[in-house]
Formats: sequence, structure tokens, C-alpha cells
Amino acid sequence: EVQLLESGGDLVQPGRSLRLSCAASGFTFRNYAMSWVRQSPGKGLEWVSTISFSGGAIYYADSVKGRFTISRDIPSNTLYLHLSSLKPEDSGVYYCARGLNYYDYWGQGTLVTVSS
Amino acid sequence: VLTQSPGTLSLSPGEGATLSCRASQSVTGNYLAWYQQKPGQSPRLLIYGASKRATGIPDRFSGSGFGTDFTLTISRLEPEDFAVYYCQQYGSSTPWTFGQGTKLEIK
Repeated sequence: EVQLLESGGDLVQPGRSLRLSCAASGFTFRNYAMSWVRQSPGKGLEWVSTISFSGGAIYYADSVKGRFTISRDIPSNTLYLHLSSLKPEDSGVYYCARGLNYYDYWGQGTLVTVSS
Repeated sequence: VLTQSPGTLSLSPGEGATLSCRASQSVTGNYLAWYQQKPGQSPRLLIYGASKRATGIPDRFSGSGFGTDFTLTISRLEPEDFAVYYCQQYGSSTPWTFGQGTKLEIK
């Protein structure tokens, strides 16, 4: 059974940093591109970032480019998202999802709240 | 930009539902997906490539359309089908974008 389990969400002040993790199991992690998608009440679902199966191709939404960094660790089957220079508009539930550009499995999400 | 209509659709179990997704520009390769999201849950992939059902999705869900106009049809609504539905385009380049959603509620 495919499982994606996010962690790391927290309440942080604007300008601070945070690292999200996604532990993957039930499939061959190294064979799949992985993505982060966030959801906030004001903006709905928003694609954030994608990393190819090899890690050789990485994509970011313009809204996070230069501030967020996606990475993956194959031996531990873990996907990461490092968030820096956080803004209030970055608040929301962050989902880890399997896929390059459409997503067949999603985690349960981890909540990030950016507020002073 | 993807625009979904209606914003809310009120129907009864057993009826059929038609949800619309209109793109501001033609969607390359008909690369359009539909997701279902229930309260407190993560989205679930229903349709990809505009008309291909994802694994395990009942055949009462069907997708159609091309270019800028796409439709998700649910025949014979079951109680568990009442949820929010999102379309998403994943054309040739980023950003891959979602519609704002259609809420399907019980009448």
C-alpha cells in the first residue's frame, strides 16, 4: 500500500525557516517524481514544487522560487521541502504527492502557519 | 487560468452530475486531471488525460473534453460522491494549475 506521511509543519514567524519531510513507503521511491502541493482557504490548491525521479530536474512555482528548496533522499525514501523567508501567504496545508505533474497518491498534509 | 462551474451544485443521490472546467488557453495534449476532496481528507485522483480513469475509480465517473472545455460527469450519484471537485491542467510547462473547485452537495 502506497503511503506518504508528512511532518514538520509548525507555527513560525515571518522571515523564519522550516523543513518539511515526507516519508514514502509501499512503492519504489527512486522510480517516481515527487511533488509538493499546498492548500490555503484563500488560494485553494497550488502546486509548489516538483523533483524528478533522478533529482536531475527541479521545478518551482514563481511564488516560492528562491525561497523554497525541494530535495529527496533515496536511501531513506524521504522527500523534503525547505522553506525559508516565510511569508504569511505561505500558510496552509502542505501535501506531499506522487507524480511529476498530476498526482495519484497524496499524503494527509502538514499545516504551516506563518504569523507573528 | 482554470474556471470551474458551477461553484456549488445541489443534487440528490441517484441523479447525474455535470461539472465544467474551462481553461483560458488550450490545454496542451489534453493534459487535464480531476480530483475529489472530502472534508478533512487529501485530494484523490479521479481522471487524468482528460478521460482516463485512475486506478480503482468507479465507472460512474467519466471525463471528456478537449482544448479549453472539459467536463466531469458522475452518473447515478452515490452518497459518498458529495465532495469538492477540482480540475488541474498539467500542460507542457509549469506552472501546473488547479481550478477553484466545485462543491457537490446533497439537495
